[in-house]
Amino acid sequence: AQKVTQAQTEISVVEKEDVTLDCVYETRDTTYYLFWYKQPPSGELVFLIRRNSFDEQNEISGRYSWNFQKSTSSFNFTITASQVVDSAVYFCALSDNNAGNMLTFGGGTRLMVKP
Amino acid sequence: GAGVSQSPRYKVTKRGQDVALRCDPISGHVSLYWYRQALGQGPEFLTYFNYEAQQDKSGLPNDRFSAERPEGSISTLTIQRTEQRDSAMYRCASSLGGMNGYTFGSGTRLTVV
Repeated sequence: AQKVTQAQTEISVVEKEDVTLDCVYETRDTTYYLFWYKQPPSGELVFLIRRNSFDEQNEISGRYSWNFQKSTSSFNFTITASQVVDSAVYFCALSDNNAGNMLTFGGGTRLMVKP
Repeated sequence: GAGVSQSPRYKVTKRGQDVALRCDPISGHVSLYWYRQALGQGPEFLTYFNYEAQQDKSGLPNDRFSAERPEGSISTLTIQRTEQRDSAMYRCASSLGGMNGYTFGSGTRLTVV
């Protein structure tokens, strides 16, 4: 069975601080995909990244970076020099071969960036 | 269309009424998914289609919920005899299929009073 755990329910930081959002997953499959989505106050779900289980190389996109560690089943997301516009709920999600293309989401982490 | 379109954006209905939620996926997208997101939680899978075929409906909570995609494009999620616990954001997503990423619509916020 698949499971995604985002242990941090809420995080509050001051603008320009770095912040890391944790994601731990469980799957029995060796082939799987991990995702991060952003849900701003307006409510839509915005795709941020998809990684497959065979690619453990960390990725950086502007102020965003992702650290994929198979040994600890984690896929953490770091925002560098946070901005007020980063305030949102962030969801980590997992899809594996046994689930077709179904996504299992974590409970989300609410990030509040204060000016 | 340019994105996944869902209608209505907001729906308030009385307990016991039936509701139909519509999803218009991105043109050419093979796969279409329905998710439900309760307040303060992550989205939960309901069902999905490849073309017009419903591939998995294991997430539908009970037999009051059904979905169809008769021509492999627009899909309708129907909830019969609505109950207050059905209140949630209902999200539709589409993709090219396989392990491609999804594009989510803006959702329909359903409130059952």
